[in-house]
Amino acid sequence: DAMVIQNPRYQVTQFGKPVTLSCSQTLNHNVMYWYQQKSSQAPKLLFHYYDKDFNNEADTPDNFQSRRPNTSFCFLDIRSPGLGDAAMYLCATSSGAGGADTQYFGPGTRLTVL
Amino acid sequence: GQNIDQPTEMTATEGAIVQINCTYQTSGFNGLFWYQQHAGEAPTFLSYNVLDGLEEKGRFSSFLSRSKGYSYLLLKELQMKDSASYLCAGMDSNYQLIWGAGTKLIIKP
Repeated sequence: DAMVIQNPRYQVTQFGKPVTLSCSQTLNHNVMYWYQQKSSQAPKLLFHYYDKDFNNEADTPDNFQSRRPNTSFCFLDIRSPGLGDAAMYLCATSSGAGGADTQYFGPGTRLTVL
Repeated sequence: GQNIDQPTEMTATEGAIVQINCTYQTSGFNGLFWYQQHAGEAPTFLSYNVLDGLEEKGRFSSFLSRSKGYSYLLLKELQMKDSASYLCAGMDSNYQLIWGAGTKLIIKP
């Protein structure tokens, strides 16, 4: 089945210790998104890629970086996690065919910062 | 500014019908999405409306009124597994999704 996969599902890191979250997709979609979602809040878009074109949201902290080495994979790097970065991180994809694409989400990675 | 408003929490009884409302303000409009999100899991797509009216999909229906900036999600024959958060998201002129915080639906036996 075509899907969006995120690893790991649960990640624990220490304050200030860099961490990388990964996302892969078998949908062959052009667009990949990273969202941060805290409890009972709306998902907050951090950035997205249209193919190799990187689009950073204006209010995304510099602490968050992303890489997309190929169509299938996308990584979220948190350079120095703070306690406020504890959240669910959601990866999503859309076809990028134009117009109102539906976004399809992976299962998420829950990040705990100690 | 852009904004999505929906109730924080609703309670309904198994077997009943519930309507979850959403009002939106977006810069331009390219449609309205509803997603279901179970606790600790990712959102899953339920419906998309871009024209006025009701779209029915099994037990779930979604309605849109563009002139009123209003949508609702209607869930019929409620089951316990429908207990989840329901997220409303409007798509703006840049095809970006503006998300609501979600409505937590509690189903009681």
